[in-house]
Amino acid sequence: NAGVTQTPKFQVLKTGQSMTLQCAQDMNHNSMYWYRQDPGMGLRLIYYSASEGTTDKGEVPNGYNVSRLNKREFSLRLESAAPSQTSVYFCASSEAWRTWENTEAFFGQGTRLTVV
Amino acid sequence: AQSVAQPEDQVNVAEGNPLTVKCTYSVSGNPYLFWYVQYPNRGLQFLLKYITGDNLVKGSYGFEAEFNKSQTSFHLKKPSALVSDSALYFCAVRDYGYSTLTFGKGTMLLVSP
Repeated sequence: NAGVTQTPKFQVLKTGQSMTLQCAQDMNHNSMYWYRQDPGMGLRLIYYSASEGTTDKGEVPNGYNVSRLNKREFSLRLESAAPSQTSVYFCASSEAWRTWENTEAFFGQGTRLTVV
Repeated sequence: AQSVAQPEDQVNVAEGNPLTVKCTYSVSGNPYLFWYVQYPNRGLQFLLKYITGDNLVKGSYGFEAEFNKSQTSFHLKKPSALVSDSALYFCAVRDYGYSTLTFGKGTMLLVSP
């Protein structure tokens, strides 16, 4: 059981280049999320998708776009990468995210992105 | 708004001693609280959660956490630390009625032999 799979694991981009981070989960979860992790900042939510067909902005959405391709897949796109987007990106999923429900999130292994 | 604070950047403890990693939270409603652990170059792993009920919650790898509503705290504890417990620990909170989870900045736990 793979859980949450992210690709690629590492990436170096030049300023202004674009790329898409891929995420897939095989747990039939409804909700999926993209976080970035920076030293001393913890994890900050970029975008999330509470259910297939919906996406919403999180705490730090600027410079990013997302696509919920189907129930399994949730991609994060950087249209024009900037050095400030150098970070470790984590995708996560959870069974349900209606406000009265509470299930833990499962995380992928992360993508380490460097923008030079 | 919801927020969580982990006041210690690092906690040092000797193997075999009890450990505590602190977490305080702020919500306007009822909190749902979580602890996660991250080993080097890995994703986050779920340890335990508090939803309702008993204030002492038991989780994976012998960890437990105590919910204290009056002090708005959810400290992570373990009676006897192992060197293999050394990792980065995150506390997270979600207020009832909110759709998103807010993480603390993390606490590095170092257990010395």
